[in-house]
Amino acid sequence: AQRVTQPEKLLSVFKGAPVELKCNYSYSGSPELFWYVQYSRQRLQLLLRHISRESIKGFTADLNKGETSFHLKKPFAQEEDSAMYYCALRTTSGSRLTFGEGTQLTVNP
Amino acid sequence: NAGVTQTPKFRVLKTGQSMTLLCAQDMNHEYMYWYRQDPGMGLRLIHYSVGEGTTAKGEVPDGYNVSRLKKQNFLLGLESAAPSQTSVYFCASSSGKAAGETQYFGPGTRLLVL
Repeated sequence: AQRVTQPEKLLSVFKGAPVELKCNYSYSGSPELFWYVQYSRQRLQLLLRHISRESIKGFTADLNKGETSFHLKKPFAQEEDSAMYYCALRTTSGSRLTFGEGTQLTVNP
Repeated sequence: NAGVTQTPKFRVLKTGQSMTLLCAQDMNHEYMYWYRQDPGMGLRLIHYSVGEGTTAKGEVPDGYNVSRLKKQNFLLGLESAAPSQTSVYFCASSSGKAAGETQYFGPGTRLLVL
């Protein structure tokens, strides 16, 4: 069975500093990886997906199949980036998502 | 479009009581899902549906039942609530399982079981 691990429950950085949220996965096939974000008291929303290879709000994530990782990065964090971030995996044969435990990011002024 | 909506927003139950959470989507999506969100555990799938009239178990189905009588609605029922079911419940929907397909989430229902 597939699994997603986010090793940091809490991450705190200062405004303007680089930030990296880690995501590791285990799955024997070729997965699809996503990052979802949940701002305070709001619903989860898609931030980015690996298949699109896009940059959203300055965030990027690269799928590293050798290290089975999909880390989320931003070179200069902003206060409005403070939120809960979830990494999620979808298998090639299904529609279901498997979520990691989440990382609460706080960007201090 | 309202997207995915959930009713109620907040509810307090006593142990043993029953209730139904309603999820509605207006995007004509085939797939719908119910998750629970608990601190340190991320989102865990309770039940899901791949079309009207179908349901299937997710990771943590015990103590819950679901029904999908209409394509736009997905109901989650608790027959006899327990304190362990205190959680935030999210509904989501998606159009399919094509590459890159994403799920759209509702605003959540906070449930407290005393």
